[in-house]
Amino acid sequence: KNEVEQSPQNLTAQEGEFITINCSYSVGISALHWLQQHPGGGIVSLFMLSSGKKKHGRLIATINIQEKHSSLHITASHPRDSAVYICAVRRGAGNKLTFGGGTRVLVKP
Amino acid sequence: SQTIHQWPATLVQPVGSPLSLECTVEGTSNPNLYWYRQAAGRGLQLLFYSVGIGQISSEVPQNLSASRPQDRQFILSSKKLLLSDSGFYLCAWSGATGSPGTRSSYNEQFFGPGTRLTVL
Repeated sequence: KNEVEQSPQNLTAQEGEFITINCSYSVGISALHWLQQHPGGGIVSLFMLSSGKKKHGRLIATINIQEKHSSLHITASHPRDSAVYICAVRRGAGNKLTFGGGTRVLVKP
Repeated sequence: SQTIHQWPATLVQPVGSPLSLECTVEGTSNPNLYWYRQAAGRGLQLLFYSVGIGQISSEVPQNLSASRPQDRQFILSSKKLLLSDSGFYLCAWSGATGSPGTRSSYNEQFFGPGTRLTVL
């Protein structure tokens, strides 16, 4: 079993719909990252969080440390949100990230 | 502002040929630097990371090596490429805290544009 599991693997939504991507992990962590990978391959860091909730524009990330679970929400989805969303966790004070397999999101107009 | 560059953007190499991918960071000092690989249909895998000049940590056994000849330069190399080396290679940097010997990163990682390598 992978240390970081994401669900769903693929998601198709209509423009305007609310999207939720889930990330569960099985190890103790010091921080969790959400990344966005565009079709060309470039990766952008969306959030880094260790507790609670963060919001940036239409994106919201939450984390429940006790349940070892994080969610990424996209409100009022748009075709430009189509990308692969990747969850990654950092353990302790180290420098290494362990990645989930990614969720491929397609938003149709 | 900080920027990270990688080149080349794409590369097609025959099996057994050497490899050199370069990553440079601008606008920051003493960054932590990382090399990742994303094989087709698979997730990101950390290959190497560096907390300072000449300091390289390897995460997985392979025929690749990394070097950091300057503070903001990170190079990924191979003497003889294998078919399994094909993939998308990403360099990343993060800010760091602490002294060079114990430096750890509590900051976001910022990724370069990547190099798509095809080994034939």
